[in-house]
Amino acid sequence: KNEVEQSPQNLTAQEGEFITINCSYSVGISALHWLQQHPGGGIVSLFMLSSGKKKHGRLIATINIQEKHSSLHITASHPRDSAVYICAVSPYNNNDMRFGAGTRLTVKP
Amino acid sequence: DSGVTQTPKHLITATGQRVTLRCSPRSGDLSVYWYQQSLDQGLQFLIQYYNGEERAKGNILERFSAQQFPDLHSELNLSSLELGDSALYFCASSEGLAGEETQYFGPGTRLLVL
Repeated sequence: KNEVEQSPQNLTAQEGEFITINCSYSVGISALHWLQQHPGGGIVSLFMLSSGKKKHGRLIATINIQEKHSSLHITASHPRDSAVYICAVSPYNNNDMRFGAGTRLTVKP
Repeated sequence: DSGVTQTPKHLITATGQRVTLRCSPRSGDLSVYWYQQSLDQGLQFLIQYYNGEERAKGNILERFSAQQFPDLHSELNLSSLELGDSALYFCASSEGLAGEETQYFGPGTRLLVL
């Protein structure tokens, strides 16, 4: 079983819809990262969080350390949000990073 | 633009060959991380260097090696290449050593082994 599980694997939404991507992990962590990978391949770090909630524009990330669960929300989705969203964790006392398989989001106009 | 540069962008080579991928971190960042992204295994951490020293090792094959130079750029050497080594190789950098730091990713090097 993968240490980092994401759901759903694929998600198609209409422009304007509220989107939620979920991430569950099984190891103790010092931080959780949400990454965005566009079709061209480049990876951008969206959030790094170790507790609570962070917001950047239309993106919101939350984490529940006790339940080992994080969510990424996109409000008022737009076609330019179409990308693969990857959840990754930095295990406690370890410098590596463990990745989920990614969620492929397609937002249709 | 993350400030992390990688060269080359694309590389096509044959099985059994050796290649070197290069990464320059953001100005001021001391940590460099290498990752492999293949179609069947997703993103995997390979290795991390901090200020010239190896600090963490992941799923890196013995045929692969890396180093970080005094000017903080890093090179990933892949030898005795196999078809399965075809993948996107990313490097990322961060200011310090800790896992709870934002990492900035380079554009990647796409390696195709024929």
